Amino acid sequence: GIQVEQSPPDLILQEGANSTLRCNFSDSVNNLQWFHQNPWGQLINLFYIPSGTKQNGRLSATTVATERYSLLYISSSQTTDSGVYFCAVGQGGSEKLVFGKGTKLTVNP
Amino acid sequence: ETGVTQTPRHLVMGMTNKKSLKCEQHLGHNAMYWYKQSAKKPLELMFVYNFKEQTENNSVPSRFSPECPNSSHLFLHLHTLQPEDSALYLCASSQVEPPMWGYTFGSGTRLTVV
Repeated sequence: GIQVEQSPPDLILQEGANSTLRCNFSDSVNNLQWFHQNPWGQLINLFYIPSGTKQNGRLSATTVATERYSLLYISSSQTTDSGVYFCAVGQGGSEKLVFGKGTKLTVNP
Repeated sequence: ETGVTQTPRHLVMGMTNKKSLKCEQHLGHNAMYWYKQSAKKPLELMFVYNFKEQTENNSVPSRFSPECPNSSHLFLHLHTLQPEDSALYLCASSQVEPPMWGYTFGSGTRLTVV
């Protein structure tokens, strides 16, 4: 099956810093989503981005499908950005998603 | 609330008990999912229901039994569980026909098997 690798596994930042999270996948996809899981376990969908670039406030994401990677940018990080960021991909006509292991982000005040 | 409601939020059960997890979505989506999240593991897909029909059973042991009576409700019936089944169980929904945007997850049920 398709493999999803996220890097780095852990990231510690000071408030106000910028960061880039990466997601590599091993095969063609037609569905790619980024999620944020807060410390209470709630998973929030950040972006549905099988290709191209999207921005939402301080967050933006870019997927280069031909090169099989996606990037999530966080600018001017805040303590509330802490949590685990997951990349998940889907293929073909399947509605199921395969998740990476996540990047654990800690933003210190 | 995210539009997907899971109950209960926490559950402690013995290995001989029978319990059920409930998920309800208020988004008009037509696909629903159960995922399992264990410590230090990626989220694992358990079951997929598309228009109430089960389209995926990811080699899940029979002690987990899903039920989808309609497109808005999804249950996970549990019986004779093992301690290693302790995990966060997450329900999600999405629009697959026509395909639109992404998954919406519920807040999860944190299950402890004693």
